[in-house]
Amino acid sequence: QQQVKQSPQSLIVQKGGISIINCAYENTAFDYFPWYQQFPGKGPALLIAIRPDVSEKKEGRFTISFNKSAKQFSLHIMDSQPGDSATYFCAARGETSGSRLTFGEGTQLTVNP
Amino acid sequence: DAMVIQNPRYQVTQFGKPVTLSCSQTLNHNVMYWYQQKSSQAPKLLFHYYDKDFNNEADTPDNFQSRRPNTSFCFLDIRSPGLGDAAMYLCATSRMQETQYFGPGTRLLVL
Repeated sequence: QQQVKQSPQSLIVQKGGISIINCAYENTAFDYFPWYQQFPGKGPALLIAIRPDVSEKKEGRFTISFNKSAKQFSLHIMDSQPGDSATYFCAARGETSGSRLTFGEGTQLTVNP
Repeated sequence: DAMVIQNPRYQVTQFGKPVTLSCSQTLNHNVMYWYQQKSSQAPKLLFHYYDKDFNNEADTPDNFQSRRPNTSFCFLDIRSPGLGDAAMYLCATSRMQETQYFGPGTRLLVL
């Protein structure tokens, strides 16, 4: 029940295209859903996060869509650029887990020029 | 800039030789975490501190220990590194139930 399932495992997109990464969770106690971006040899960096009281959050080219009833959330990267090539992790956290994050398995995104 | 700092960035040790990794933060966060990350996998939480309260994950091997002498510093001790302990070790910090901020990581190689 603590798992977060992430798909796809890898994604190749052309420059200017839309990258979409999906996550699903089971634990209805989760109330905070961040996305992290990680470049090779670096630590994960917070990209964008959402709480379940909203269905969408947009920051620049990055948008999180949240479907509470389906227990799914997704990251959309508009106008994808080669510099967006990285590994993306979704995560979830709930009151019962304290400050612990439950991570998805990760998606390796490659944006071709 | 406020940040999470990890030293060293790369550490080479011999099989069975104790090693210590360090983490410091200027964010004044009360929670500090240690994660292990292997290639192409998500970070795996080893343990974390709420202030001085130590919280070990159930599946963290006894070979891994941690110390937090003050708010700013936290250490990861690997008592007898095995080949399977070669990984990236990530430190993160947060306020209670707020966003976690990660350091750049220490890449550990065990020969």
